[in-house]
Amino acid sequence: DVKVTQSSRYLVKRTGEKVFLECVQDMDHENMFWYRQDPGLGLRLIYFSYDVKMKEKGDIPEGYSVSREKKERFSLILESASTNQTSMYLCATSETLQETQYFGPGTRLLVL
Amino acid sequence: DQQVKQNSPSLSVQEGRISILNCDYTNSMFDYFLWYKKYPAEGPTFLISISSIKDKNEDGRFTVFLNKSAKHLSLHIVPSQPGDSAVYFCAASDNNDMRFGAGTRLTVKP
Repeated sequence: DVKVTQSSRYLVKRTGEKVFLECVQDMDHENMFWYRQDPGLGLRLIYFSYDVKMKEKGDIPEGYSVSREKKERFSLILESASTNQTSMYLCATSETLQETQYFGPGTRLLVL
Repeated sequence: DQQVKQNSPSLSVQEGRISILNCDYTNSMFDYFLWYKKYPAEGPTFLISISSIKDKNEDGRFTVFLNKSAKHLSLHIVPSQPGDSAVYFCAASDNNDMRFGAGTRLTVKP
């Protein structure tokens, strides 16, 4: 079974703080993804990575950056959190870009 | 641009009846389609998929139908159970990209 874990289930941060969200997978998958889920908007891709140190922008990368220093770990960074970044953040992993993605439990971030 | 659309944000069905969730896509290059199920405070989990070479795939109570000419797929749940109450996302992919719909919240009433 694929296991995808995220560092926090709930986070409360203040505007302007730097926020780190971490995702770890144990299946040796090449591809890792960060999404945010908002009501009525579904899952929107922020960034993905297809290999160590490689990253690609998704549909909504503004205000975010990512880091993939090790294959199993993919971090999402909010350099200066803003209230419009309050959301549910989901990490996913897959063997190929086309196939099934396996999701972590999500991190619900509230920015005050 | 929304390449995958789920036009019904919610659906309510009586227990034991059929639930039909619909999804439309615009990109004719998509050739693999998936449905995910998401409970509150959990990540989406894979439910069922279909390749573009098929028009139907069945797994227990869940069946996915694909109409390529109409660029439409649907998920049928028969019979519906209260435990099926969740948000259902459809997704479509080609070799390079996977796109998700906005989701449909299914409520199955006892």
